[in-house]
Amino acid sequence: QKEVEQNSGPLSVPEGAIASLNCTYSDRGSQSFFWYRQYSGKSPELIMFIYSNGDKEDGRFTAQLNKASQYVSLLIRDSQPSDSATYLCAFWGGGGNKLTFGTGTQLKVEL
Amino acid sequence: DAGVTQSPTHLIKTRGQQVTLRCSPISGHKSVSWYQQVLGQGPQFIFQYYEKEERGRGNFPDRFSARQFPNYSSELNVNALLLGDSALYLCASSIGQGSYEQYFGPGTRLTVT
Repeated sequence: QKEVEQNSGPLSVPEGAIASLNCTYSDRGSQSFFWYRQYSGKSPELIMFIYSNGDKEDGRFTAQLNKASQYVSLLIRDSQPSDSATYLCAFWGGGGNKLTFGTGTQLKVEL
Repeated sequence: DAGVTQSPTHLIKTRGQQVTLRCSPISGHKSVSWYQQVLGQGPQFIFQYYEKEERGRGNFPDRFSARQFPNYSSELNVNALLLGDSALYLCASSIGQGSYEQYFGPGTRLTVT
């Protein structure tokens, strides 16, 4: 079992729609979860972090965490073409002082 | 405020050579972590340094080494380069050692020929 599972995509959504990105993780002890956005050829950019069960909203982004199900998701409302990127899910842990990343989900927002 | 800076941006080396990559964290951040990202994969953890001491090491061979300086900047060294070392090397900065948010620099693209 991979430490972090993400659907590689591509996930295609029309402009203005809600994009839903999902991630499961294996380390039950992890307390911190992160979403990074990575444009092609660029480095990852931190867009959301969540530490507690439930929802956390920041602008058009909502992160959802369910520790019992070991599941974290990212919702992007009113998707824009500029949101087209790879979204990386990560958690703190997986054996050591480190972020453990998934392979990312490619999101395409179409006009 | 300046973000994380890394140098050089791009680098081309030959198999067997050695390379040194440099990173300066965000002002006020005391921890630096290094990651390797190959195409199509998420970043893989190499090292974490906090207060000039190694606090974590990933599953990389001893050819990889790093250090942190009193001003919290850091260097990653890779000896005896292999073709498989070609990747984007990312430096991440955080306030402390624990599970704090990590902010990445622009990365160094290393190509080994």
